[in-house]
Amino acid sequence: AQSVSQHNHHVILSEAASLELGCNYSYGGTVNLFWYVQYPGQHLQLLLKYFSGDPLVKGIKGFEAEFIKSKFSFNLRKPSVQWSDTAEYFCAQHQGNTPLVFGKGTRLSVIA
Amino acid sequence: SQTIHQWPATLVQPVGSPLSLECTVEGTSNPNLYWYRQAAGRGLQLLFYSVGIGQISSEVPQNLSASRPQDRQFILSSKKLLLSDSGFYLCAWSVHEGFTDTQYFGPGTRLTVL
Repeated sequence: AQSVSQHNHHVILSEAASLELGCNYSYGGTVNLFWYVQYPGQHLQLLLKYFSGDPLVKGIKGFEAEFIKSKFSFNLRKPSVQWSDTAEYFCAQHQGNTPLVFGKGTRLSVIA
Repeated sequence: SQTIHQWPATLVQPVGSPLSLECTVEGTSNPNLYWYRQAAGRGLQLLFYSVGIGQISSEVPQNLSASRPQDRQFILSSKKLLLSDSGFYLCAWSVHEGFTDTQYFGPGTRLTVL
């Protein structure tokens, strides 16, 4: 069965620090990968997605993620976080006609 | 553009009472529809998904059920709520794009069972 692991449950960063959130997926075949964000009191929004092609994917709000097939990873990065990036971040994978499989989420707290 | 609605936004129900949560999608046809439950620290648990009217797949056996009476309407129900049914319920829709689907989520319903 597919599974997605997000190893960091809660990350606390100061403003302007660099961010990297880990995501590892289990499926070894063709896989589609997503990062979603949930800001406090808001619904889940799509940050970025990888289907094929360039393994470095640019998303909204300055986020990017790199697909590394050999490591089964799709880590989310941002060079300089802002207080407004405080949110919960979910990695997900999708393969074929099966529904999305989500990780358990990483809560990011950005402090001044 | 497509929009997804869920209601109610919040709900407080006693144990043993019935439940009906509604989700509707506008601006698209024949979407795949999904019900998730989100619990703190446990991510999103897929409960049901539907690829068409009357077609429901259940991912987790429990006292909840889902129905899709119309193309863009997805309903989550229970005959008798349990305390453990408390949580944040999210509806999502997707359409097939090329080789995959991208899911878009509704605002959610916060259910508290007392």
